[in-house]
Formats: sequence, structure tokens, C-alpha cells
Amino acid sequence: GQNIDQPTEMTATEGAIVQINCTYQTSGFNGLFWYQQHAGEAPTFLSYNVLDGLEEKGRFSSFLSRSKGYSYLLLKELQMKDSASYLCAVRDQDSGTYKYIFGTGTRLKVLA
Amino acid sequence: DSGVTQTPKHLITATGQRVTLRCSPRSGDLSVYWYQQSLDQGLQFLIQYYNGEERAKGNILERFSAQQFPDLHSELNLSSLELGDSALYFCASSDGGRGHSYNEQFFGPGTRLTVL
Repeated sequence: GQNIDQPTEMTATEGAIVQINCTYQTSGFNGLFWYQQHAGEAPTFLSYNVLDGLEEKGRFSSFLSRSKGYSYLLLKELQMKDSASYLCAVRDQDSGTYKYIFGTGTRLKVLA
Repeated sequence: DSGVTQTPKHLITATGQRVTLRCSPRSGDLSVYWYQQSLDQGLQFLIQYYNGEERAKGNILERFSAQQFPDLHSELNLSSLELGDSALYFCASSDGGRGHSYNEQFFGPGTRLTVL
């Protein structure tokens, strides 16, 4: 079946580094996405990985290991505005069509 | 502002009724996606249209249907509404059609549906 796991909540301190892990099980992996969602708002795209390795984008980096079914989102120099939910999602290809499967999200609280 | 618009922002209706949610994608985007987000289930992918044709299908109930029109706006129709259909419904669009893969999706502000 298809499944995505990520921690429910994490807490970190302003200025610190935090790593949010995501593990997934799909039959036709076709890319992994990370989204940020502030409470009451729409998700916003952070990153996309389809090949193994690290993708860096400013303070945010995302890593993928397809053989392990594992990804992480790394947030550096945390700011208060980074307090949000972080959604891991996988695009799964099945019989020529795609599905997008989202994890339940990790609520990150950044403390002063 | 993502450039994706959704109407209405809020909708309150009764069980058994039918509603239509509307989405206008970013200018030039050919793909439209619909998602449902409820408190207990997180974000659920419902369906994707590309240039008027259904491209991908998620866990969309048979009571729900969608379409994408020639001007690329999309509508999600929800019928025989149940209490459990109360949720935030997001539309997203992407740049499929400019030679890029459908990677970055831009989400609209959502329609909050309350079924009483």
C-alpha cells in the first residue's frame, strides 16, 4: 500500500537547526515534495526531490534516499515565522496515472 | 498571493444538499488539482485536470465530481452532502504545459465548507 510517516510535532529554538524526517512506502515513486502550511492558510511549495541527494534552497534543504524510502527537510537559522506545519508528499505513478499522497504533517513550534 | 483564486471563501449548507466550488488557476497554468483538508485526515488529493481532461485521480468519492472548462477554470461539485464532508477544499495549479514536469503546485486560499 501507500503510506507516509512523519513526526506529529517538533519544537526548536530560534536560530537553531531542525531536521524533519519523512518515510514513505509507494509502489511507483515519482517524486517527493515538501510544503509549508501556516495555520489557516494554504500550503506553499518548499522543495522537490526525485533523485537521491540534497537540494538546497536558502535556509531550507531537502534530502532524498529512494532506496531507503526516506527524506528529510532541514531548516537552518530558525526564525519565529518558521512555526508552521510541514507536509511531506509523494507522487505515485500507477497504471500511467499519478496520485499525490500527503503525510499528516509535522507541526513545528519555534521558541524564542 | 499565489495567483490562484477560489470562490466562495466560505459555504454553509445542510446535509443532502449539493454545492459547487470554483477555481481559477494562475495565468498560463494548464493543470488544476483539488484537495480536501479535514482536521482528522490531513490533506487528501482528490483529482487533477490537465487542459480540460482528467489526468489523475485520488480518493474522490462518487458523490463528488469535477471538470475543467475551455478557459481552464475548474469546478468541484459535491452532492448528497454529509456532515463528514465539512472541510477546507483547496485548488492548486501548476505549469504543466511549458515543458516542465508538474512539480511546483500553487495553492489557492481554499473554500471552507460547513455541512450542518
